[in-house]
Amino acid sequence: TQLLEQSPQFLSIQEGENLTVYCNSSSVFSSLQWYRQEPGEGPVLLVTVVTGGEVKKLKRLTFQFGDARKDSSLHITAAQPGDTGLYLCAGGLSGSRLTFGEGTQLTVNP
Amino acid sequence: GAVVSQHPSWVICKSGTSVKIECRSLDFQATTMFWYRQFPKQSLMLMATSNEGSKATYEQGVEKDKFLINHASLTLSTLTVTSAHPEDSSFYICSAGNRDFYGYTFGSGTRLTVV
Repeated sequence: TQLLEQSPQFLSIQEGENLTVYCNSSSVFSSLQWYRQEPGEGPVLLVTVVTGGEVKKLKRLTFQFGDARKDSSLHITAAQPGDTGLYLCAGGLSGSRLTFGEGTQLTVNP
Repeated sequence: GAVVSQHPSWVICKSGTSVKIECRSLDFQATTMFWYRQFPKQSLMLMATSNEGSKATYEQGVEKDKFLINHASLTLSTLTVTSAHPEDSSFYICSAGNRDFYGYTFGSGTRLTVV
């Protein structure tokens, strides 16, 4: 059983469209991170959210941590081809192992 | 800051040989390092957790005698794939963390191909 359920697993959209990726769990995490990974490279941390209800913005990306700290979402506005990649959510405790979602493979077509 | 260097970035080896992959934290002390395996278009699968100066903790189903992990210092952990077989071909990624901050820094990964 996957501790972190991430959806959708695959998403192909046109440039300019908006999208949302969801990360859900029955467990409570003290922090949740979102990473983006390009082929042949390691994941790069986009954001860490730690407070229930927290919303963080990174240019066209908006991250939200659920009030109960069991779920999170990533919303991308006006997607661009450069946003193409594998998006991973990961939950964990400070200094401890991370649990990753299955990942969302996003393709933004020009 | 928080840079993790992983080497080599790719390696091709013959069946039956061993391969060592290094993971170094360049500008911070990594009390914990993690080793992951990733198949194409899939998420990361944690193989083991290593804490400096102690034995690694392996995930269920990961053979500790096949995937030897050494974390001898606060800046270096190594993963040795022993007696490699074609089914060991994969993308291996390390990450390093510190008790004082959330989030982990990942290495750039190693593409292992066993022929």
